[in-house]
Amino acid sequence: EVQLVESGGGLVQPGGSLRLSCAASGFTFSTYSMNWVRQAPGKGLEWVSYISSGSSTIYYADSVKGRFTISRDNAKNSLYLQMKSLRAEDTAVYYCARDTKEWLVYYMDVWGKGTTVTVSS
Amino acid sequence: EIVLTQSPGTLSLSPGERATLSCRASQSVSSSYLAWYQQKPGQAPRLLIYGASSRATGIPDRFSGSGSGTDFTLTISRLEPEDFAVYYCQQYGSSTRYTFGQGTKLEIK
Repeated sequence: EVQLVESGGGLVQPGGSLRLSCAASGFTFSTYSMNWVRQAPGKGLEWVSYISSGSSTIYYADSVKGRFTISRDNAKNSLYLQMKSLRAEDTAVYYCARDTKEWLVYYMDVWGKGTTVTVSS
Repeated sequence: EIVLTQSPGTLSLSPGERATLSCRASQSVSSSYLAWYQQKPGQAPRLLIYGASSRATGIPDRFSGSGSGTDFTLTISRLEPEDFAVYYCQQYGSSTRYTFGQGTKLEIK
């Protein structure tokens, strides 16, 4: 079964740091690009970051640029999101999602269940 | 940056009815870059449609996508009770990677 499982969420104070992980199984993780997407309470979806299969290409949303770092370990089938200088507005459920490209068609076809990050004093 | 605007914000319909959800882009989007997702409360988003009109694996044929340029539509031909959820359109945009619409909530009338 193709599966993504996020972990590492929790309560952190403003200005603090947190590292999220996403464990992949059921597919050849090293051949897929990956994304982090978040959803603030009661709000819509916001793409956060992208990493290519070999980590050569990385993108960030402007809202997290300079504070968040995406990385992956293909040997461990794992994706990470290091978050620093956290703000209240970073409070959200964070999803990892598999990036799929077919010819010129792009979409995210597999999603984890998410991990909750709460930034509060 | 391309902005996606979904309408209506909330759509109230009864099971068995037809649902038409709209997604309008602030500038032209390649059909290849447009996808639709369904999200139920407490669950992760689920891919429904990619490439504007291709159904994802396991998606019932009552779901269909259409459109081009700046106007895209998700149609649910005959609503089932499990279809009541929030729907998001999404477009791919190189360095911004993905942008989502604000969502349409489909609720039971």
